Amino acid sequence: NAGVTQTPKFQVLKTGQSMTLQCAQDMNHEYMSWYRQDPGMGLRLIHYSVGAGITDQGEVPNGYNVSRSTTEDFPLRLLSAAPSQTSVYFCASSYSTGGGKNEQFFGPGTRLTVL
Amino acid sequence: GENVEQHPSTLSVQEGDSAVIKCTYSDSASNYFPWYKQELGKRPQLIIDIRSNVGEKKDQRIAVTLNKTAKHFSLHITETQPEDSAVYFCAASLSGGSYIPTFGRGTSLIVHP
Repeated sequence: NAGVTQTPKFQVLKTGQSMTLQCAQDMNHEYMSWYRQDPGMGLRLIHYSVGAGITDQGEVPNGYNVSRSTTEDFPLRLLSAAPSQTSVYFCASSYSTGGGKNEQFFGPGTRLTVL
Repeated sequence: GENVEQHPSTLSVQEGDSAVIKCTYSDSASNYFPWYKQELGKRPQLIIDIRSNVGEKKDQRIAVTLNKTAKHFSLHITETQPEDSAVYFCAASLSGGSYIPTFGRGTSLIVHP
């Protein structure tokens, strides 16, 4: 299994440009989420999905859109990039267990710079 | 919603010393408390977790303690080694995969040889 994969690894955008960060998982996990990581701010939740066709907002959703058409894929779209969106973006997936575990499996991250 | 506070933000120790990182949470309904380790340039990975029906859990040199009444939990690393140097995140959530955890801001642990 490849686990959780993300593309691209690095990206530089100009203010106002749009782009899509790709995320895929091959573990058949029901739940997927997007985080951004900024120095001293921890991991902040942008959007999440509890299954194909179902998405919801997290703590910092403004400026981002998501969709979940398949179990495997959960792309994150930046509508009009701003310098404040310069960050490292992590996608994660998780699944239900009978024991109540809730482990997040993270992708390798995408480092985005907006000029 | 849940709010998780984590201290200290930076912790510097000598090899062989113990390290303790503390977190508090606000939502008394939270019942699952994982800890993640993120090495430089890598993704966060789960290292240990605890549920609210357990007060302490150990795995070799790492242990977690939970005080549900006070709503705080801690990570203890004994006999620290240089490879323990990383950023550590605590988190709180409800157990079950549909509940997305709320993370603390992280602690940068530096272990000096």
